[in-house]
Amino acid sequence: KNEVEQSPQNLTAQEGEFITINCSYSVGISALHWLQQHPGGGIVSLFMLSSGKKKHGRLIATINIQEKHSSLHITASHPRDSAVYICAAQTSGSRLTFGEGTQLTVNP
Amino acid sequence: DTGVSQDPRHKITKRGQNVTFRCDPISEHNRLYWYRQTLGQGPEFLTYFQNEAQLEKSRLLSDRFSAERPKGSFSTLEIQRTEQGDSAMYLCASSPDWPSGNTIYFGEGSWLTVV
Repeated sequence: KNEVEQSPQNLTAQEGEFITINCSYSVGISALHWLQQHPGGGIVSLFMLSSGKKKHGRLIATINIQEKHSSLHITASHPRDSAVYICAAQTSGSRLTFGEGTQLTVNP
Repeated sequence: DTGVSQDPRHKITKRGQNVTFRCDPISEHNRLYWYRQTLGQGPEFLTYFQNEAQLEKSRLLSDRFSAERPKGSFSTLEIQRTEQGDSAMYLCASSPDWPSGNTIYFGEGSWLTVV
């Protein structure tokens, strides 16, 4: 069992749909990161959470520390949201342990 | 461009050759990380520097791998006697020296293909 698990692995949606990607972790964390990776490799940090909820534009991230679970939501999805979304647990010493990613495809 | 930069972006090498990748972090960032990512997988931690000190190394970092950050600024990752299994993207990231929970910035990655 991986220390950080994401679901689903692949997700296809129609433009405008509400999207949820889930992340469960089994390690103690100092923070939980949501990252976006486009084809070609570049990774962009979307959120860093240690508690509660954060919102940026159409993106919302929540975390439940007791349940060791986090979700990334995308409202009013758009084809340009198509990317791989990765959850990463930050443990002591700043090491990130990554999930395997969720490939999101939003069709027009 | 003041982001994390990596060089080269792509490298094709023959098995047995040595390769070196360079990472230039964001200038005020004290922390620098190397990760490796293979197709379809999330990145895996390789090593971490705080300024010039290498504070943590993954067991993935075999004796053929060495990383340095001699002046606490740029870093190099060298792979000696490359093997086909080394084919991957090598990602560099940096972050400020804040208490835990700081945002991490990634480079575009260096793709290695060993033939």
